Amino acid sequence: GAVVSQHPSWVICKSGTSVKIECRSLDFQATTMFWYRQFPKQSLMLMATSNEGSKATYEQGVEKDKFLINHASLTLSTLTVTSAHPEDSSFYICSARLQRGSNQPQHFGDGTRLSIL
Amino acid sequence: GENVEQHPSTLSVQEGDSAVIKCTYSDSASNYFPWYKQELGKRPQLIIDIRSNVGEKKDQRIAVTLNKTAKHFSLHITETQPEDSAVYFCAAYGNAGNMLTFGGGTRLMVKP
Repeated sequence: GAVVSQHPSWVICKSGTSVKIECRSLDFQATTMFWYRQFPKQSLMLMATSNEGSKATYEQGVEKDKFLINHASLTLSTLTVTSAHPEDSSFYICSARLQRGSNQPQHFGDGTRLSIL
Repeated sequence: GENVEQHPSTLSVQEGDSAVIKCTYSDSASNYFPWYKQELGKRPQLIIDIRSNVGEKKDQRIAVTLNKTAKHFSLHITETQPEDSAVYFCAAYGNAGNMLTFGGGTRLMVKP
């Protein structure tokens, strides 16, 4: 149980392209999903918290117009990197929490490697 | 907010030896502390976790200890094997917050 699927796993595209990444909880309902960014050899940095049916909560320094998050259902959250540029190249990982409450495990998707040429 | 410090950043051990990774946290209200293992290019995988009402938890070769007074927790891996080589992240979940704060990671290398 607790499987989180993330798609696509790898994207290479030209500068200026918008890229959508999907995060799905396959065998459970996730009221809250999280989006992280990870640079090589660095830790996971939380970008935003995605709550089903409401607006995402963005961390300081994360441009909400640049990184659009939609959590339209209990099993799907999407991150769209709009007009991507080379500096947006990174490893993006989503996670989902099984239950409400702060002391519950988060389970991660496989991540999406985004390379902007 | 929560601040999690993790040490060491790299750790090299001989196969069969033990490995210890230590983390400190700042928010005394934090009540949940998971540990994740991440292999290169893959997802972080939850390997063990501990809640604030417990001082120690063990799962085969892996154990975690928590000292709430000192606000630190540690991961212990015994009888290390080459497949234990990965990056390990500690994290803390604040009671007031809604998110995990991760440590900087420890790159563990187990030499055969």
